[in-house]
Amino acid sequence: QITLKESGPTLVKPTQTLTLTCTFSGFSLSTSGVGVGWIRQPPGKALEWLALIYWNDDKRYSPSLKSRLTITKDTSKNQVVLTMTNMDPVDTATYYCAHFQLEEVDYWGQGTLVTVSS
Amino acid sequence: SYVLTQPPSVSVAPGKTARITCGGNNIGSKSVHWYQQKPGQAPVLVIYYDSDRPSGIPERFSGSNSGNTATLTISRVEAGDEADYYCQVWDSSSDHSVVFGGGTKLTVL
Repeated sequence: QITLKESGPTLVKPTQTLTLTCTFSGFSLSTSGVGVGWIRQPPGKALEWLALIYWNDDKRYSPSLKSRLTITKDTSKNQVVLTMTNMDPVDTATYYCAHFQLEEVDYWGQGTLVTVSS
Repeated sequence: SYVLTQPPSVSVAPGKTARITCGGNNIGSKSVHWYQQKPGQAPVLVIYYDSDRPSGIPERFSGSNSGNTATLTISRVEAGDEADYYCQVWDSSSDHSVVFGGGTKLTVL
């Protein structure tokens, strides 16, 4: 049974750096074809993909946010960490961690709401 | 970067067929994945690789993809199908990125 859970701050101030951790179980990030990614959704708005890291440490980033994002994995801890710098109120959203089987998401975390406000 | 275009809303009466489109330049050359999202919940994969259904997804859900349009078809629509639906592709151009459509709100009348 695959599960993913996001953790991190619920409130960050403008200009701060956001660090989110995805802790997963039921699969290994060493398995060929597997990836873990981050997707966010502002309140009432559409899904937006942020970043993705594959079993072979191949990393992909949203072109529009690439300069602000870093994704890393710790296979031994079954964790993936996303950092996003220079947070702004427009970054207020629910952030989802997701299991990718090559190019599609077949499992999602429950999501965590991050609010950016002073 | 690659753009996916979905109608903001689609309405259908119970028992009828709903068709939700996802437009993109030569999208028929890509694999399209569809997600259903109900209020307050995480999305759920309902169709992958254009027309495959994950286990547990009713046969009423089907997909097709050709030319510049991919379509999610929901037959014999039920009240429980009311949700937001998103299409997604992998853009293998220079960006090598995941792309989501803007989402379609399906309303069951």
